[in-house]
Amino acid sequence: AQSVAQPEDQVNVAEGNPLTVKCTYSVSGNPYLFWYVQYPNRGLQFLLKYITGDNLVKGSYGFEAEFNKSQTSFHLKKPSALVSDSALYFCAVRGFDRGSTLGRLYFGRGTQLTVWP
Amino acid sequence: ETGVTQTPRHLVMGMTNKKSLKCEQHLGHNAMYWYKQSAKKPLELMFVYSLEERVENNSVPSRFSPECPNSSHLFLHLHTLQPEDSALYLCASSQDPSGGSYNEQFFGPGTRLTVL
Repeated sequence: AQSVAQPEDQVNVAEGNPLTVKCTYSVSGNPYLFWYVQYPNRGLQFLLKYITGDNLVKGSYGFEAEFNKSQTSFHLKKPSALVSDSALYFCAVRGFDRGSTLGRLYFGRGTQLTVWP
Repeated sequence: ETGVTQTPRHLVMGMTNKKSLKCEQHLGHNAMYWYKQSAKKPLELMFVYSLEERVENNSVPSRFSPECPNSSHLFLHLHTLQPEDSALYLCASSQDPSGGSYNEQFFGPGTRLTVL
């Protein structure tokens, strides 16, 4: 069965400090991994994805994520946090329901990131 | 803007009302999705439409009825809802969700539904 775990409900970091939002996954076959961000009263916005290739993936707004196959992790990172990065972050893995050829995304519960000035 | 629009943005309805949520995508995608987002819960996939297949989550109550008249429009018809159905309903679209496709989904802003 496919699943995603985001072990932290909340992450707090000071502006200018590096940030990490954690994600671990479980999936059959090759993992296709995604990060999305949700600002208040908005839908989810795509940040980045890992399909294959370099384990360090760069995305929008200066975010990057590191794929680690042995640890089944895909942590989101940013070298220097901004107050405007405060939002809800979702990790997702693509998988298939049993008997279906239609891929779907399995989302984590989300991590609320707060960057304080 | 992501190219996916949803109307209305906010909806308050009684349990005996009938209403519909509308989603439109301007991205040329061939798959559309309805999600339910409740506080402190993972996103729940409700329905998926693509050119070839409709996938329905078996746990979705029949008081939710989707309609996809073409690849650009998606509706969610609501009737006799319960207060626990209050949530943010998100529409998304993507290109070709079948087989080995790994295209990301693009989300609309959502409809905030309150059932009294």
